[in-house]
Amino acid sequence: QSVLTQPPSVSAAPGQKVTMSCSGSSSNIGNDYVCWYQQLPGTAPKLLIYENNKRPSGIPDRFSGSKSGTSATLGITGLQTGDEADYYCGTWDSSLSAYVFGTGTKVTVL
Amino acid sequence: EVQLVESGGGLVQPGGSLRLSCAASGFNFDNYWMNWVRQAPGKGLEWVANIKQDGSEKYYVDSVKGRFTISRDNAENSLYLQMNSLRAEDTAVYYCVSKFIWGQGTLVTVSS
Repeated sequence: QSVLTQPPSVSAAPGQKVTMSCSGSSSNIGNDYVCWYQQLPGTAPKLLIYENNKRPSGIPDRFSGSKSGTSATLGITGLQTGDEADYYCGTWDSSLSAYVFGTGTKVTVL
Repeated sequence: EVQLVESGGGLVQPGGSLRLSCAASGFNFDNYWMNWVRQAPGKGLEWVANIKQDGSEKYYVDSVKGRFTISRDNAENSLYLQMNSLRAEDTAVYYCVSKFIWGQGTLVTVSS
């Protein structure tokens, strides 16, 4: 059972905006940077956001991350059909001495 | 090209052993912590283990402690995962992961 909780699914029409949350505790999100990963169907995950809000080279600025206290949020603007994927948050948990992933959120473009 | 390429997966009987390898190229391998992450069929991501740049620190998820060993060879730009006493619940795609890059994964199936 994951220590980071995400909504199972979010959806919106093309061109719209979606946000998804990642809820944790003081030993994980409240204590370290958060990353976000995108997993397109049938492919390996890819880093989308690191250190709460930084985008690796090649990731469009339609993707944004933020953190407040023990929660983090991923936003996607200008939603495209190619954004349909599973999205996971992740961070280090100092109590577990382990990296933990969220439960994952499936994004559907209506 | 920056990439991580895993190998060594396959079918193994319960109680058996397997050694996964990951070959890194296109970046300074010895600058980064390295990780193994797995994903059971139809399930979410589960971090398995990581190792510091010089190999001096290693951490494991509770479910594999005492059975799996992570190691690296910086001279060969390679990461390894020795898996012993394998169980059916270890069946998953295993990914080699650096800070920014994921490999394509290698499938491990534990079944009689």
